[in-house]
Formats: sequence, C-alpha cells, structure tokens
Amino acid sequence: DQQVKQNSPSLSVQEGRISILNCDYTNSMFDYFLWYKKYPAEGPTFLISISSIKDKNEDGRFTVFLNKSAKHLSLHIVPSQPGDSAVYFCAAKSGNTPLVFGKGTRLSVIA
Amino acid sequence: EPEVTQTPSHQVTQMGQEVILRCVPISNHLYFYWYRQILGQKVEFLVSFYNNEISEKSEIFDDQFSVERPDGSNFTLKIRSTKLEDSAMYFCASSSQGIYEQYFGPGTRLTVT
Repeated sequence: DQQVKQNSPSLSVQEGRISILNCDYTNSMFDYFLWYKKYPAEGPTFLISISSIKDKNEDGRFTVFLNKSAKHLSLHIVPSQPGDSAVYFCAAKSGNTPLVFGKGTRLSVIA
Repeated sequence: EPEVTQTPSHQVTQMGQEVILRCVPISNHLYFYWYRQILGQKVEFLVSFYNNEISEKSEIFDDQFSVERPDGSNFTLKIRSTKLEDSAMYFCASSSQGIYEQYFGPGTRLTVT
C-alpha cells in the first residue's frame, strides 16, 4: 500500500532550467510534507517542508507547492545546478507519526 | 551545524550473529528514530523512541530488534540474530519535536553473509 507515490523514477534537466519533482499521496490525514535529498552512501538531507495549512513554501531556489484537493505536491528547483543531482524523496506524516517515504526520483542536472 | 552521527559506517556480520548499530542524535532533540533502506527500495520506518520508551514501531521491528538510549547521548539499535534479509542501510534520525522535520545520520551499511 503506497501512501506516498513518486511516479517518475528519474528526471533529466539542463543546468539553469527548472526542475519539477512530483509526489502524490493517498492518506488524507497527512498534515506535514517534506522533501529530502540523498546522495549515494549518505543519509537523506532535509530540504524543505510544508504544513497542510499552506499551499506554498519557498526557501531560496527551492519551492514546494501543495494541492490538498488533488493530494499532490511538487518541488521546484530553479535554477537547477549540477550539484542538485541526487535522489529526491517526498515524505509525509500526520502529527507525531513516523515519516512515510516515496520511492524517490533521481534528478540529473546536465551541464 | 549540529548533525546526527552513526557508527560504524559499514558492518559485516555472519547470519545469526548479534549487531549493535550506534547513533548520536542532535543534542537538544527529544525524538529518535530508526529507518532502513534495502538496496533499490524505499526508506522504511522501523521504530520511534521518546521519553525513554518506544512510541511506535513497524511490522519490521519484531522481537529480534531492540533499541536503547543507554546514556544521555547515544541511541542504539540491536539486532539479536541477524538474517540475510536484514542487509540494508540503517538510518538514525532525530527531531526536536515529533511533529516537525527529522534529521538523518549518514547511515550504517549492514551486510549479513
């Protein structure tokens, strides 16, 4: 039962362009959503989060959008840089519950 | 910047042996977690720990697993009798409050032969 789905296993983007990573969820009880970035042989690094009471949160080059009615969120990275190449995980939680992760999307930013 | 640390980075053990994975969470955090990622699969929750007791555990966290906070800084995961299918990356995470973001350590790669 995949409560958090990242349907694109990989994405390639030219340096300087926008990267858009998508995530869908099924559990309407989720009230906090997070994006993590992971390099090989390292732990997930927290990037940005959004509460269900908001529809947008921005931090520098990273913006997360939440569409509760569609149970969809997306991470926008602009401009994309080669150092952004990594696996990006969407995660969700409800209150104090543990994080539920998607399977990840591998982003490749091509110089 | 404070970070979660984990030791060892790589542990190789024989099936049936006991292993202890160690973590030092961020010092002012109160919530502690273990997750694992089998190669090619997603990150899965194992257990959460708060106020010196397990607050939640997954189906994966059976009687072979235990966690402990033996002192004010360390947080350990013990697997009593390892199986081949326990081979995975094990991540420790901590959070200041359970409702917010969790910060992950670099992971321990456990290989059971």
